[in-house]
Amino acid sequence: TQLLEQSPQFLSIQEGENLTVYCNSSSVFSSLQWYRQEPGEGPVLLVTVVTGGEVKKLKRLTFQFGDARKDSSLHITAAQPGDTGLYLCAGEEVGDDKIIFGKGTRLHILP
Amino acid sequence: EPEVTQTPSHQVTQMGQEVILRCVPISNHLYFYWYRQILGQKVEFLVSFYNNEISEKSEIFDDQFSVERPDGSNFTLKIRSTKLEDSAMYFCASSAVREVGYTFGSGTRLTVV
Repeated sequence: TQLLEQSPQFLSIQEGENLTVYCNSSSVFSSLQWYRQEPGEGPVLLVTVVTGGEVKKLKRLTFQFGDARKDSSLHITAAQPGDTGLYLCAGEEVGDDKIIFGKGTRLHILP
Repeated sequence: EPEVTQTPSHQVTQMGQEVILRCVPISNHLYFYWYRQILGQKVEFLVSFYNNEISEKSEIFDDQFSVERPDGSNFTLKIRSTKLEDSAMYFCASSAVREVGYTFGSGTRLTVV
């Protein structure tokens, strides 16, 4: 059974600091996606990575896919209060027609 | 920006009743999904649908659940006889192609009493 472990579960840091959150699995993924979810809303796609070692940047957010396509990280530079939220990673195994979510990292940026 | 639309946003139903949750995926998308999220828990896969048939389903998606694409725009999830443990947020999602990410709707909050 595919399992995605996200760490840390909770992170509270001051505005302006940098942070990294992680998504790890023993499974190999054909793609890995990062979503952000606000309370009472559906997940919103931030990025999809498909190639081992791939790095994608979205303004202050940097996403990396591990070389073996089993793990990923999300790095935020100079965090802002607007970055507060739940960040979810989700992976699609080769041959699957579904993504499986991790439990998420709840991020709180203090002004 | 194109959206996935779900109705109703909230539904309260009595245990044992049938419910139908409705979704309008993005018009040029070909892959459709239902997920659910019990309060405080992670988003769980229920079923995927492509080319007018189920392509994958989870253990949660038992005989009480069914999906249908009755016309070219709607995608529905039916729960035949609801149980208390079916209370959750149900999310519909769609995708144009595989491996590029999904667009999720805002969800239907189902409460079974």
